[in-house]
Amino acid sequence: EVQLVESGGGLVQPGRSLRLSCAASGFSFEDYAMHWVRRAPGNGLEWVSGISWNSNNIGYADSVKGRFTTSRDNAERSLFLQMNSLRPEDTAFYYCIASRWLQSSPLAYWGQGTLVTVSS
Amino acid sequence: QSALTQPPSASGSPGQSVTISCTGTSSDVGGYYYVSWYQQHPGKAPKVIIYEVTKRPSGVPDRFSGSKSGNTASLTVSGLQAEDEGDYYCSSYAGDNRRVFGGGTKLTVV
Repeated sequence: EVQLVESGGGLVQPGRSLRLSCAASGFSFEDYAMHWVRRAPGNGLEWVSGISWNSNNIGYADSVKGRFTTSRDNAERSLFLQMNSLRPEDTAFYYCIASRWLQSSPLAYWGQGTLVTVSS
Repeated sequence: QSALTQPPSASGSPGQSVTISCTGTSSDVGGYYYVSWYQQHPGKAPKVIIYEVTKRPSGVPDRFSGSKSGNTASLTVSGLQAEDEGDYYCSSYAGDNRRVFGGGTKLTVV
């Protein structure tokens, strides 16, 4: 059974940092691209970032570029999102997602999400 | 990189057909055949129902179909059923290793 389990969310003050993690199991993690997608309360889905299977290609939404960094550790079957200079508008549930390819494949496997709240 | 444009709501009676549009630009929807559609029920993770504009994953009923013309993609649900109620999101590759979602459409079966 495919499982993606996010962790690291919580309450953080504006301007501070937070690091999210995602532990993967039940599929060949090293063969899949991975993504972060977020959903703010009352809003729709927003794609945040994606990373290829070998970390050679990484993309970011304009809203987080320069502040967020995505990385992965295939040996540990883990995905990470380092979030710096957090803003109140970054408040959202953050989902870890797997797709076969970074650019083209559908977002096939989804985690249950971790809540990030940015507030003073 | 702006969100794709979807109508906030759509509705239909059981057995009818409904079409949801997803409008982008030549830099996303119009430029690639990597448009996918996701169905989300309350409290559940989104599930892909259409990928690469027209393809259906195994297990998705053929009542769901996708198409694209220019910068607009469409999802058609034929023979509406009560279980089709939910939120629907389109997504497209947007170049430069990025993707973009639509704002979502709430489908109601009345």
